[in-house]
Amino acid sequence: ETVMTQSPATLSVSPGERATLSCMTSQSVGGHLAWYQQKPGQAPRLLIYGVSTRAPGIPARFSGGGSGTEFTLTISSLQSEDFGVYYCQQYNSSVTFGQGTKVDFK
Amino acid sequence: EEVLVESGGGVVRPGGSLRLSCVASRLTFHDYAMTWVRQVPGKGLEWVSDINWNGSRTAYSDSVKGRFTISRENAKNSLFLQMSGLRAEDTALYFCARHISWNIYDAFEIWGRGTMVTVSS
Repeated sequence: ETVMTQSPATLSVSPGERATLSCMTSQSVGGHLAWYQQKPGQAPRLLIYGVSTRAPGIPARFSGGGSGTEFTLTISSLQSEDFGVYYCQQYNSSVTFGQGTKVDFK
Repeated sequence: EEVLVESGGGVVRPGGSLRLSCVASRLTFHDYAMTWVRQVPGKGLEWVSDINWNGSRTAYSDSVKGRFTISRENAKNSLFLQMSGLRAEDTALYFCARHISWNIYDAFEIWGRGTMVTVSS
């Protein structure tokens, strides 16, 4: 099984600041990596797939990057609606999720 | 608005069975693979099972393999999860979601709101 490790567990950011979330995989996942945002009481929302392709309707301030076993999600200028938990997911070998990074506001 | 609505959750005793359903509205269903993902309240996401666009290919997590069966009926825009041999650790909110493509093992673009399954004596 491909193990996903996200860091940090919690990220406290001020509105307007840049946020960078990390996701490491225990083996290479090629280009098969996605990011999701989940707010309390809601279903997850797909942000990024294929490492760097934004899902329809996702603002340009969200960007994904990386390769091999190290990936990042960057929110260029955090908005108030961006709080929540962010999960990375690999779908190269079966499907596994990271444990999540909680983004909250300073 | 594209909608997926899950149903069939409830309280069941250990060893019991339950069948979850997911109905799609105002979205293309038959061309896309589908998935079930579960989440213990307050915890992370756990993938459960995938089915490709026509039902010819399925996949399961090790934790449910042999106990759960995924299926679909494209004519009724419906996805199912037959769960048997339920255990306390199966207690979770179960989401259905549509993939971004026709094949299994993919990203999940559209999600339902989930149906709660509680396994307890």
